[in-house]
Amino acid sequence: QSALTQPASVSGSPGQSITISCTGTSSDVGAYNYVCWYQQHPGKAPKLVIYDVSNRPSGISTRFSGSKSGNTASLTISGLQAEDEADYYCSSHTRIPTPHVLFGGGTKLTVL
Amino acid sequence: QLQLQESGPGLLKPSETLSLTCAVSGDSVSSRTYYWGWLRQPPGKGLEWIGSIYSGVTTYYNPSLKSRVTISADTSKNQFSLKLTSVTAADTAVYYCTRDKGTGGTNDHWGQGTLVTVSS
Repeated sequence: QSALTQPASVSGSPGQSITISCTGTSSDVGAYNYVCWYQQHPGKAPKLVIYDVSNRPSGISTRFSGSKSGNTASLTISGLQAEDEADYYCSSHTRIPTPHVLFGGGTKLTVL
Repeated sequence: QLQLQESGPGLLKPSETLSLTCAVSGDSVSSRTYYWGWLRQPPGKGLEWIGSIYSGVTTYYNPSLKSRVTISADTSKNQFSLKLTSVTAADTAVYYCTRDKGTGGTNDHWGQGTLVTVSS
């Protein structure tokens, strides 16, 4: 059982928008603006797509956006494309009991 | 261009010690800007953060693994290493080394990963 809760799967048609949620607690997601989102295609290493809740690394499409409300962070992908089909993982910093990083269980995005 | 490359044995027996090294090119493991981390992913499962090292000395570990994990750095070779003792089948995973921006676990560069299997 993962520390952060994500839906197992989401789906959408090309051109649509989807949102993936990531629920933690007041000790992790709710306490710090250190939420990241990673995209992972089969057989590949994860790729950072969002950091610090809503920042995009250089080279990441503006179709990817992040937000947070209370203990829940969200990743939104707009204008879905076939290449977006992948697994997505959220992570959060926590300091309980010592500084470390928690991950969600991952969400499989299917582009219909 | 930053590159990270994991290396180490791919097959271990239960109770042995897992030892992996990550060779870094294009940046320095003694940097005071970045952390250097290890994560793993069991086959078909999600990601787990193992720990990280900063400035070649300061370490942070996942509390669930802390009793078995050591992360160290060799600044002369510009590489950092992971040791995990008393492995079991549950430690079978793809192990990744990463560069962490330092803002609470932002892993912005990843190695390709190396599969370590624990089996008798």
